[in-house]
Parts: sequence; C-alpha cells; structure tokens
Amino acid sequence: GQQVMQIPQYQHVQEGEDFTTYCNSSTTLSNIQWYKQRPGGHPVFLIQLVKSGEVKKQKRLTFQFGEAKKNSSLHITATQTTDVGTYFCAGGSQGNLIFGKGTKLSVKP
Amino acid sequence: ETGVTQTPRHLVMGMTNKKSLKCEQHLGHNAMYWYKQSAKKPLELMFVYSLEERVENNSVPSRFSPECPNSSHLFLHLHTLQPEDSALYLCASSQEAVFREKLFFGSGTQLSVL
Repeated sequence: GQQVMQIPQYQHVQEGEDFTTYCNSSTTLSNIQWYKQRPGGHPVFLIQLVKSGEVKKQKRLTFQFGEAKKNSSLHITATQTTDVGTYFCAGGSQGNLIFGKGTKLSVKP
Repeated sequence: ETGVTQTPRHLVMGMTNKKSLKCEQHLGHNAMYWYKQSAKKPLELMFVYSLEERVENNSVPSRFSPECPNSSHLFLHLHTLQPEDSALYLCASSQEAVFREKLFFGSGTQLSVL
C-alpha cells in the first residue's frame, strides 16, 4: 500500500543549530502537507505544497517539494526552544492523506 | 487556538464499559474525521464523514462505532475495548473530504483501557 517514510525519527539539536526532516513517498503525490504537534498537544497545519519543485518559506522554516513530487523536506534555520515538537508530513494521493511517523525535535537551550 | 472541540480530554475505561467521545467543529467545514494516534505509529485514519455521510471506514473493528448527526458534530461510541485500543483519539475537520486539505485537529481524547 501507499507509504510515506519520514526521517529521522528523532533529532536533538543545540539551540541555534539548523534542523531538517525528510519525507519520501513510494508513489507520486498530488500534494504534501506539514503539521507540527507540540508535546501534549495536537497536530497543527503548517503548510501545503502542490507544485513540482515548489519552495515555500515561513520565517525560519523552509519547505520543499521534490521535482518528481515524491519527496519533501522541512528545514528550520537557527532552531529555538519554541520549535520543540513532532513534525509530520502527510502526502495526498488519490483522495487519501497518508501521514509519516513524524520527526521528534528536541532543542537544548 | 482550535475550532474543533473534543471531550473528554482523558478517559479511563474498563474492557466491559461503554463510553462515547464527542467532537464539535465551529469552522463550517463539510468533512470530519476520526484518527487514532499510537506511540511509534503513523496517524491512523479510522472514519471519514462528508456532510454527515460516512464515506470511508478503514477496516476499524466494530467495537468502534461512529455517529455523525450533523456536519458540526461527530461521536465515537466505544464498547468492549481492548487494552491495545489505548491511544490518543483525534477528531479533525476540513473544508471538503475529497481533497483532504488542511486538516484542523481537536485536542484529542487520551484513552486508557484497563
């Protein structure tokens, strides 16, 4: 079946360091969505990418959608303690939305 | 901030109990969802409703019974659950079910089955 693989599973960084999480699909996606879940919280929608090769920025966060629309990445520049949480990608395909397992980010002050 | 409200936040139940989870969305969306979130697993879609009609049921055991009386309210009725059903149950809504874009999640119900 359709799968969305996300790596790494965990990432520990020092505050101020950069962070990247990667998402790979076994099939071509119609869109990719990113969500953030704070500890003890619920997933919150961050962004959606639709076009091949699309790049979008939200302050220190940069989101990319691959040319083949099978992979995506989220890059955070100069992490802060407020970035702590689990980041999920979700790939849209044929009316379904398949979530990755998420990357749990911890930031040491 | 959330336009999707879930109750209760926490629930402990025995295997023979019957309980219900409630979800209400205030966003005017047409689609509502139940997801299960377990440790070390991806979010699992359980049910999808579009304008009160169930459009998807992902092989969920019959001990989970959804109900959608109108487009703003969604329930998940639970009976004779198993310990492995312990998880965070999340309700979500979106504008339409067809595209599954931009889901708004509720705070979830942390369920423990003893």
